Amino acid sequence: GAVVSQHPSWVICKSGTSVKIECRSLDFQATTMFWYRQFPKQSLMLMATSNEGSKATYEQGVEKDKFLINHASLTLSTLTVTSAHPEDSSFYICSARDWGTENIQYFGAGTRLSVL
Amino acid sequence: SQQGEEDPQALSIQEGENATMNCSYKTSINNLQWYRQNSGRGLVHLILIRSNEREKHSGRLRVTLDTSKKSSSLLITASRAADTASYFCATVRNNAGNMLTFGGGTRLMVKP
Repeated sequence: GAVVSQHPSWVICKSGTSVKIECRSLDFQATTMFWYRQFPKQSLMLMATSNEGSKATYEQGVEKDKFLINHASLTLSTLTVTSAHPEDSSFYICSARDWGTENIQYFGAGTRLSVL
Repeated sequence: SQQGEEDPQALSIQEGENATMNCSYKTSINNLQWYRQNSGRGLVHLILIRSNEREKHSGRLRVTLDTSKKSSSLLITASRAADTASYFCATVRNNAGNMLTFGGGTRLMVKP
């Protein structure tokens, strides 16, 4: 089956630093990847759609300069949380869509970000 | 934005019992999917039902779809403690590209 690897699984950082999260599709090419944010006991909130070779499409209310997305290859998308603050602490999850699977998405294991 | 509403928000049952979760949505869809999330982990795709299908089975899972009521249900039969997780429905809306819109989720606890 399609496997998506997300790294790191947990990161603690100081306020003001930047954190990069990687999302890799291991056994398929993903022209489109998605980044979600999830608060405790809540559903997933789509932050942005990442398209290989082009700029990401951000959802309303998501600051593109705060959450930098790069999708430089068909198997890798990165999310950089710039100048992180405690309110950015959350669970971030990426997913990738395997072409031709009726929009089934394959998810990474998530990254728990704690900003001190 | 969340399209779907799921109920119940939380469900606690004994092992061996059946668990039923419901999902409602607002706009026309191409398909509806159910995902499972173990605590602190990513989501795993369980089953997909197309808009022209009414019922689908996969192992102990049974999904129904009523497009006239814009609702779906997920039934897990003979539940096991390992089924403890959060379950989310997600819709692929017509003319919405390849985005999934997730419901609020049902937290299922199966007691041994």
